[in-house]
Amino acid sequence: DVVMTQSPLSLPVTLEQPASISCRSSQSLVHRDGNTYLNWFQQRPGQSPRRLIYKVSNRDSGVPDRFSGSGSGTDFTLKISRVEAEDVGVYYCMQGTHWPYTFGQGTKVEIK
Amino acid sequence: EVQLLESGGDLVQPGGSLRLSCAASGFTFTTYPMGWVRQAPGKGLQWVSAISSSGGDTFYANSVKGRFTISRDNSKNTLFLQMNNLRADDTALYYCAKGDETGVRETDYWGQGTLVTVSS
Repeated sequence: DVVMTQSPLSLPVTLEQPASISCRSSQSLVHRDGNTYLNWFQQRPGQSPRRLIYKVSNRDSGVPDRFSGSGSGTDFTLKISRVEAEDVGVYYCMQGTHWPYTFGQGTKVEIK
Repeated sequence: EVQLLESGGDLVQPGGSLRLSCAASGFTFTTYPMGWVRQAPGKGLQWVSAISSSGGDTFYANSVKGRFTISRDNSKNTLFLQMNNLRADDTALYYCAKGDETGVRETDYWGQGTLVTVSS
């Protein structure tokens, strides 16, 4: 199975400051169709996961533009340009290129 | 509005069986692949199983292959997960997840989950 490794696992941030989460995969996530199926999910406390980003950098409808995704191959990043209180939660990357699809361990974002 | 409502979770003894259901609404169910993802208490997320829009193709994690069966009833907009020979490490919150046009590789909606507890 493809192993997804996130860092850091805990991210204390100051309100209105930027934050960055890294996600690395154990093999390339470029699919034979040419797309790279790397998603980012946000799980707020007590809620189910919500997709933020798909295909590395495409933001879902309703997701604030302070969230952005980037990367290629095996190395990906989720950035929050200015953290707000509602961004507290656990963030997961997920690869959808190789079955079984796999998630990173999760990065817990909290306010300092 | 897309809604996914899971049910069927319960406390069951090791070796027992359960059938989870997911009632879908707010979208054309027959068009989209669906799947199940689980989350053990305080832990991360794990894909369990997926099924194509027609139900003709199914996929399983190695840890559940041979014990779990995914199916769907497109006439009733419902997804199922039959779980047999349950083990303690199957204890988790089970989420129903909707795929998008590319499949469950890009799930865009999740339900609230149903809790399965395997314990004697």
